[in-house]
Amino acid sequence: AQTIHQWPVAEIKAVGSPLSLGCTIKGKSSPNLYWYWQATGGTLQQLFYSITVGQVESVVQLNLSASRPKDDQFILSTEKLLLSHSGFYLCAWSPRGGTYEQYFGPGTRLTVL
Amino acid sequence: GEQVEQLPSSLIVQEGASVLINCSYTDSASVYFPWYKQEPGKRLQFIIDIRSNMERKQTQRLTLLFDKKTKHLSLHITATQPGDSAIYFCSASLNTNTGKLTFGDGTVLTVKP
Repeated sequence: AQTIHQWPVAEIKAVGSPLSLGCTIKGKSSPNLYWYWQATGGTLQQLFYSITVGQVESVVQLNLSASRPKDDQFILSTEKLLLSHSGFYLCAWSPRGGTYEQYFGPGTRLTVL
Repeated sequence: GEQVEQLPSSLIVQEGASVLINCSYTDSASVYFPWYKQEPGKRLQFIIDIRSNMERKQTQRLTLLFDKKTKHLSLHITATQPGDSAIYFCSASLNTNTGKLTFGDGTVLTVKP
């Protein structure tokens, strides 16, 4: 069975500090991977998607970057956090091909002070 | 880009009632429409989907209707239970292998026992 893990579970960071969030998928080779941001109140926005190692596409510009160093790993990062980065970050995967249901991780709660 | 609108933003019903959640999208090139559910404290979970070559899909207590001409979808939930209380999200995807999804703002459903 496929499993998806995200780390850390929660972070409290200062404005201007760096950030790195991680996501690992086990039990599925060559998945599509995604990062989402969920604002307080529920709005979900897709940030990045990746269909293969080393290839990441940005969907919206939020002063964040993403990388896929391994087939099963997706990293979200920034060098300088903004207050507006606060929220819930979700990682998801789907089978290669795109038009399939996506499976979401438990998320990371980020608070920027 | 694609925009997805959901109505109503919230619903409160008594157990056993039926509910209807409406969703509209703007990009006529969208071909895949998955719906997700987010229960309090739980992961975002896929519940049903429909492709643009279909008009109706049903699974257990869920019926999803799709009107390509009006770019409108509606999710009908029958015999609601308190366990159905969650945020329901409509989303839309173009026919690519990227899995890029645009989400609606969600509908908060509360089912009272």
